[in-house]
Amino acid sequence: RKEVEQDPGPFNVPEGATVAFNCTYSNSASQSFFWYRQDCRKEPKLLMSVYSSGNEDGRFTAQLNRASQYISLLIRDSKLSDSATYLCVVVGPAGYALNFGKGTSLLVTP
Amino acid sequence: NAGVTQTPKFRVLKTGQSMTLLCAQDMNHEYMYWYRQDPGMGLRLIHYSVGEGTTAKGEVPDGYNVSRLKKQNFLLGLESAAPSQTSVYFCASSPWGGAEAFFGQGTRLTVV
Repeated sequence: RKEVEQDPGPFNVPEGATVAFNCTYSNSASQSFFWYRQDCRKEPKLLMSVYSSGNEDGRFTAQLNRASQYISLLIRDSKLSDSATYLCVVVGPAGYALNFGKGTSLLVTP
Repeated sequence: NAGVTQTPKFRVLKTGQSMTLLCAQDMNHEYMYWYRQDPGMGLRLIHYSVGEGTTAKGEVPDGYNVSRLKKQNFLLGLESAAPSQTSVYFCASSPWGGAEAFFGQGTRLTVV
């Protein structure tokens, strides 16, 4: 079983829609959790960290459920510029490297 | 703000040739990483370093070597390139393990 699993999509949504991505991880002792965004042919960039209490940054909300080993990302009021691949990232118990999911592709259409 | 810089950005190699990819960071980060990204596979860790003079194997280290002689530089070497090493290579750095990682712009390598 891969350490980090995501639905690859693609998710096609109209502008203004709300969309949610899910991610599961296999190691219950994992330490840190992030969502990264990757545009086509570009490097991954941090979108937001994910905390146990949940956190929000504008239109983006991230949640962590340690009991279920589950991470989510909610995007409200989708913009065309949100079209990208969203990568779920988990740092394992050894704490040395980021383990990436394969990514979920989002396309926001006019 | 340079951040993480990778050179070269593009390269075509013939099977059996060797090359070195250079990664430089100006953020004084302790940790540095080399990943490769292939379609349908996501990013996979090749090698990493937790400080100057240290290196360790990641998930897919075979066919690659690395060195971290200076804190700001992390070199990835291919001794004898194979077509299976055609990929996009990303270098990243972070201040400590488990922290946000900052990525370079990537190197697109084709081995023919």
